[in-house]
Amino acid sequence: GAVVSQHPSRVICKSGTSVKIECRSLDFQATTMFWYRQFPKQSLMLMATSNEGSKATYEQGVEKDKFLINHASLTLSTLTVTSAHPEDSSFYICSASLGSANEQFFGPGTRLTVL
Amino acid sequence: GQNIDQPTEMTATEGAIVQINCTYQTSGFNGLFWYQQHAGEAPTFLSYNVLDGLEEKGRFSSFLSRSKGYSYLLLKELQMKDSASYLCAVDNTDKLIFGTGTRLQVFP
Repeated sequence: GAVVSQHPSRVICKSGTSVKIECRSLDFQATTMFWYRQFPKQSLMLMATSNEGSKATYEQGVEKDKFLINHASLTLSTLTVTSAHPEDSSFYICSASLGSANEQFFGPGTRLTVL
Repeated sequence: GQNIDQPTEMTATEGAIVQINCTYQTSGFNGLFWYQQHAGEAPTFLSYNVLDGLEEKGRFSSFLSRSKGYSYLLLKELQMKDSASYLCAVDNTDKLIFGTGTRLQVFP
């Protein structure tokens, strides 16, 4: 149990385009989903926390207009990187939780490359 | 501010024992996680310490001292497949705060 999927696993896009990444909890209902970004050889940095049906809470320094998060259902959250630039190239990982931060199940990650 | 520090890189020999340290200063603390992460993959759960002391789980053990803001992950009988990054993360009530991560390389 507690499987989280992400789609796509890899995406390459041109600078200026928008990219949507999906995060799904496959066998449980996730009231909270977390989005992380990981640059090469660095640790996970929390970008935002999203609760189903409400606006996401963004970490300091993360532009909410650039990284749009939607958590429309208890099994799906999406992250849209708008007007992507090469510096947005990173590994994006989501996690899903039944409610508490100490029980997060991680997705397999999405490798974004912006040319 | 929130600070969680780990050594950047460590190397060890197959069959040996290695200890990866994690020191933290955070505004809140409910417990501390250790995760293993292979390149290009998601982190996988290793341990979660809430109380002071050592918890053993097979070849891996994790220690916590809340008063000292200190934890370590102990890996015994190292295998080549243990080459990975090891991340400590503080459970800060409403989110996890990850440490800088330690890349461990195991040599034959």
